[in-house]
Formats: sequence, C-alpha cells, structure tokens
Amino acid sequence: SQQGEEDPQALSIQEGENATMNCSYKTSINNLQWYRQNSGRGLVHLILIRSNEREKHSGRLRVTLDTSKKSSSLLITASRAADTASYFCATKDSGAGSYQLTFGKGTKLSVIP
Amino acid sequence: DVKVTQSSRYLVKRTGEKVFLECVQDMDHENMFWYRQDPGLGLRLIYFSYDVKMKEKGDIPEGYSVSREKKERFSLILESASTNQTSMYLCASSLILQGALNTEAFFGQGTRLTVV
Repeated sequence: SQQGEEDPQALSIQEGENATMNCSYKTSINNLQWYRQNSGRGLVHLILIRSNEREKHSGRLRVTLDTSKKSSSLLITASRAADTASYFCATKDSGAGSYQLTFGKGTKLSVIP
Repeated sequence: DVKVTQSSRYLVKRTGEKVFLECVQDMDHENMFWYRQDPGLGLRLIYFSYDVKMKEKGDIPEGYSVSREKKERFSLILESASTNQTSMYLCASSLILQGALNTEAFFGQGTRLTVV
C-alpha cells in the first residue's frame, strides 16, 4: 500500500524563492528518505533522516521529521531553475525483517527563471 | 562510481510475449527492488529481494515474477505481457545495515516498456 503522501502534488515558484514540500506516512518507520527525479530518469537520493532525528541539513536542503504527526517536510532554499524536478519521500517500516522501501506519489516542482 | 544498470532504456513488445527486464548492480548490495511508475500513481513496488534466491511480493506483483540467482542481478519477468503493463520500470538496490536498517537506494535509469 502507498505509505508516503506528498503535498502539494505540484508547486511552481520563482527562482530564488524557497520551496517546501510535505510528506505524511502511516506506520512506524526506521527512516525517511527524500529523492529527486528529473523527467524520464531514475531517482537520485537526496537525504535520509532517521526516526530519532528531528532535523537534518545538506547544502540548500533542510528536512524535518515529526514522528508524532507522522510527517516530514523538505525545504529547498534559494531555488534554482535546475531544481525543477519531481521530489519523492520514501519510508522504511520499522517492522522486524521488513526491507521494503515505499514511495509516495511525488511533488512536481517547477522553478521559473 | 556506484552503478545500477538496466538492460534497456526503451522496449516495445507485443501482447502475450514473455518479457525479461534485467538489472545489474556493482555495489554488492543485499537489497534489490523493482518498481513501476505511472502518471498520478507514483512508484509502486512490484517485488523486492533481500538476498540471493530470496524474493518478496510488493504491492502489485500480479502478472510479474522475479529471479535473483546472483547477488548482483535481479530480473523482472512479465509472463505474458499485456497493454496495462505499459509503464516505466525502475530497478533499485540498497545496502542492509545492522538491524535491517536500509541506507539510501540507488536507481537505474529506467526502462520505458510499451506493450502493443
């Protein structure tokens, strides 16, 4: 079953603005990951946050995780046209012996130059 | 440079054909996954494997089977291709750390399959 649900489905911003995408999930997790996909290509890993972490940074990316609300957000600061892509969250269930990595439907980000 | 390679970028097959999609990774990863991606539906897990000869059904296994005879290779088989299996197929692999914690997944470039 679909685990992560990203919100919004699509987002259009001007270059230089910040972009925020949200992800909600349903079960207990070990970690939550964010991926990026350029049109027609495979996914590329951006950042992983473990269930005992609340916030993580990587360059212009900031991820937060609220396990009590079962939600995460991805913030891209000072966006660039090259950030135009689809962004997906993925979760790894905390169940013993569970290796499944489940993705949401993604947020399509358009950054206008 | 880590790599997951899918055998074809584009593939056109006829209804009823048996189709093999091959995926090879060079990172000695235990986990391998097959997803299909359709507009508006995101990535849906078809099958995954956490070890050689081991396989687990994902969310949509019907009409598919898999084979993992060697650690580096994970094959997706469409037993009798149908038009509703026209889709983008993505293979991925990841390492298993202690406690079954997954690390990041590495994806292949995708195979766009059209069944006519």
